[in-house]
Amino acid sequence: GESVGLHLPTLSVQEGDNSIINCAYSNSASDYFIWYKQESGKGPQFIIDIRSNMDKRQGQRVTVLLNKTVKHLSLQIAATQPGDSAVYFCAEKSGGFKTIFGAGTRLFVKA
Amino acid sequence: EPEVTQTPSHQVTQMGQEVILRCVPISNHLYFYWYRQILGQKVEFLVSFYNNEISEKSEIFDDQFSVERPDGSNFTLKIRSTKLEDSAMYFCASEDRTTDTQYFGPGTRLTVL
Repeated sequence: GESVGLHLPTLSVQEGDNSIINCAYSNSASDYFIWYKQESGKGPQFIIDIRSNMDKRQGQRVTVLLNKTVKHLSLQIAATQPGDSAVYFCAEKSGGFKTIFGAGTRLFVKA
Repeated sequence: EPEVTQTPSHQVTQMGQEVILRCVPISNHLYFYWYRQILGQKVEFLVSFYNNEISEKSEIFDDQFSVERPDGSNFTLKIRSTKLEDSAMYFCASEDRTTDTQYFGPGTRLTVL
């Protein structure tokens, strides 16, 4: 069945370090992946996306890596800042309308 | 920057009552969505809406739920007879189909007593 899941529920990093948040998916037909950031009391905020015909995409301080062989997705945040503290969700679409969210990883940034 | 807005921010209701959650999507978007998030859990898809009809819905979206676009700007989610387990954050999203990017509103916290 379809599922998108995360390896770790929480991640704690020192300010200035790089963060890596991982995600596994099971639907090999998935062709579009998204990372969202959710701060307390707010809706999910789009961070970066990647299509299945790519294996890497970079944004401002963020990089998404896609490994289709092992159905693994990761979000790398460079020079993590206190403002990066939030819950991060990976999500997947497989050509339709529905977006399937993973369980979420809470990122704590220690000053 | 355009954004999705939702009202009210918090709705408290008695079990069995009807509620209507309102959303104003981004003006040039044509695809609209409702999601819910039970406290501490992941975001769950409820329904997608395009061209004045439901394009896809989840098993959560049963006969108690309905969606409507009553005018050119609002998009509503109605729960006819609320249950305790309907208590959650409800997020509206609209999508720019040229990029597949969904933009979420701030959510409505529904509390059913």
